[in-house]
Amino acid sequence: EVQLVESGGGLVQPGGSLRLSCAASGFTFSRYWMNWVRQAPGKGLEWVANIMQDGREKYYVDSVKGRFTISRDNAKNSLYLQMNSLRAEDTAVYYCARVTGTYFDYWGQGTLVTVSS
Amino acid sequence: SYELTQPPSVSVSPGQTASITCSGDKLGDKYACWYQQKPGQSPVLVIYQNYKRPSGIPERFSGSNSGNTATLTISGTQAMDEADYYCQAWDSNTDWVFGGGTTLTVL
Repeated sequence: EVQLVESGGGLVQPGGSLRLSCAASGFTFSRYWMNWVRQAPGKGLEWVANIMQDGREKYYVDSVKGRFTISRDNAKNSLYLQMNSLRAEDTAVYYCARVTGTYFDYWGQGTLVTVSS
Repeated sequence: SYELTQPPSVSVSPGQTASITCSGDKLGDKYACWYQQKPGQSPVLVIYQNYKRPSGIPERFSGSNSGNTATLTISGTQAMDEADYYCQAWDSNTDWVFGGGTTLTVL
């Protein structure tokens, strides 16, 4: 059974940093592009970043470029999101999601990030 | 940037057919998919590559995509289908784009 379990969310002050983790199991992690997708409270879904199977290619939504860094450790079946210079508008539930082709076929349960003073 | 437009809400009576649309420029040239999200839960894929259903998704869920519009159709809608639904598309120029979401109310 495919499982994605996020952790690392919490309350952080504006300008602060946070590192999210996603532990994957039930599939060959190294064979898939992996993504972070977020959802602000009461709002819709927004793709944030993704990373190629071997980590060579990474892409970001414009609003987080230069502040967020996606990475992975295939030996540990883990995906990460380093978030720096956090802003109030980054407040959201952050989901780890696996991609197959052109769609997200599995999602984690999400971890809440709250940016507030 | 590429945009996908969904109606904010759709209402349907139990047992009737619900249709949720998703509009975008030349959307029919891309693959569209749909996610169902119930309150407090993660999104679940219900339709991918325009019309395909993942394992475990009931047959009452179907999809189509042509021209500028993709449509999610739920036949014989049940109370358990009440949820938010999001369309999503991808191509090399637009990356990963979601529609704004549609709240389906079964009443």
